[in-house]
Amino acid sequence: DTEVTQTPKHLVMGMTNKKSLKCEQHMGHRAMYWYKQKAKKPPELMFVYSYEKLSINESVPSRFSPECPNSSLLNLHLHALQPEDSALYLCASSQEGGGGYTFGSGTRLTVV
Amino acid sequence: GEDVEQSLFLSVREGDSSVINCTYTDSSSTYLYWYKQEPGAGLQLLTYIFSNMDMKQDQRLTVLLNKKDKHLSLRIADTQTGDSAIYFCADSRNYGGATNKLIFGTGTLLAVQP
Repeated sequence: DTEVTQTPKHLVMGMTNKKSLKCEQHMGHRAMYWYKQKAKKPPELMFVYSYEKLSINESVPSRFSPECPNSSLLNLHLHALQPEDSALYLCASSQEGGGGYTFGSGTRLTVV
Repeated sequence: GEDVEQSLFLSVREGDSSVINCTYTDSSSTYLYWYKQEPGAGLQLLTYIFSNMDMKQDQRLTVLLNKKDKHLSLRIADTQTGDSAIYFCADSRNYGGATNKLIFGTGTLLAVQP
């Protein structure tokens, strides 16, 4: 299995909702990432979970909170989002030390 | 992307070669990558090169790295209409301790005319 699986593929949520995005990999990778991508822009790093340690991009608002239940899963909990948070959310995993980063197909999030 | 620059658009005819260029600023980058993104899709890893190499070939793809000038290019031979997509270069940088992160270029939209 050489895939990163993200669910759901599409999500529409209101500004008062709480939802979660899920990401799973079974490649034995020890590092996992969440990226946010706005239309016609490059992906921007939100969180890294590596060596059992979470690193946070300081520009990411607290309404996004990651959770790593085990080394194969990295979830992203969403609460009280704003319309400007609408974007494609991409999860990735990698072998530490280099090589390729494998991306999931993304969750298209729309906040209404 | 921060400090990783690409030209925004490239148009070629089917069957021609395409060359997509990328410049970066972080001399500590150990790996450099090329990703392809089709409309509405995620990112597909095309190829990557280790920083101590200057060339890597993989079927129709050739990556050239000029570490002195911090310049990376991707050549696609015999470009097909299915190659139409946005192409991102990216470099892997240290993010503290043993953690690395991937920084993406601005992306190049490749349009292949039949």
